[in-house]
Amino acid sequence: DAGITQSPRHKVTETGTPVTLRCHQTENHRYMYWYRQDPGHGLRLIHYSYGVKDTDKGEVSDGYSVSRSKTEDFLLTLESATSSQTSVYFCAIGQASNYGYTFGSGTRLTVV
Amino acid sequence: AQTVTQSQPEMSVQEAETVTLSCTYDTSESDYYLFWYKQPPSRQMILVIRQEAYKQQNATENRFSVNFQKAAKSFSLKISDSQLGDAAMYFCAYRNRFMEYGNKLVFGAGTILRVKS
Repeated sequence: DAGITQSPRHKVTETGTPVTLRCHQTENHRYMYWYRQDPGHGLRLIHYSYGVKDTDKGEVSDGYSVSRSKTEDFLLTLESATSSQTSVYFCAIGQASNYGYTFGSGTRLTVV
Repeated sequence: AQTVTQSQPEMSVQEAETVTLSCTYDTSESDYYLFWYKQPPSRQMILVIRQEAYKQQNATENRFSVNFQKAAKSFSLKISDSQLGDAAMYFCAYRNRFMEYGNKLVFGAGTILRVKS
């Protein structure tokens, strides 16, 4: 969607390697989120940020870390990728005054 | 913690007909928002419609409308005059209105809608 980009769009990696996914926004939104999408589970929150250097865990945070050093960038790192982390990852942005979120186009990550 | 349940993994509808997707949620809060998102094969998440819990009137957006039953904690989506382009995964989502941090969206598992020509 306009104003939010994710990179890469697709990635294949090997078990045990670190992986970093990037989310970049141009909307100056305070809140940023990382979700993963898996069949039968919908989207589940991994981590979120409510400001620069302010982050917190979501419901499926094990094995993931995040960083936000600038308002526009929110990085998701898989410290040591496992096959269970094969998924589609979405970044989203939001404002307290807005009702919904704006989502990026997603990253399909395959861990082999 | 809030939960959202979509009990219909898949639904089918004939083109030009009407279909209703179900969603129930659980919360102890009284002030919140509810959403329906559409995800076509392109994977993009598209906001279809939203409902504020403090509003009694059901939201409507063109061919899309909701039936919001606050006491029953039910939030169904009705699609009228279904079109081939409506074929997608539909997610129901919940968000507390007032949260100190995060305003996090909680999603249901999704319903795949197939439209037959």
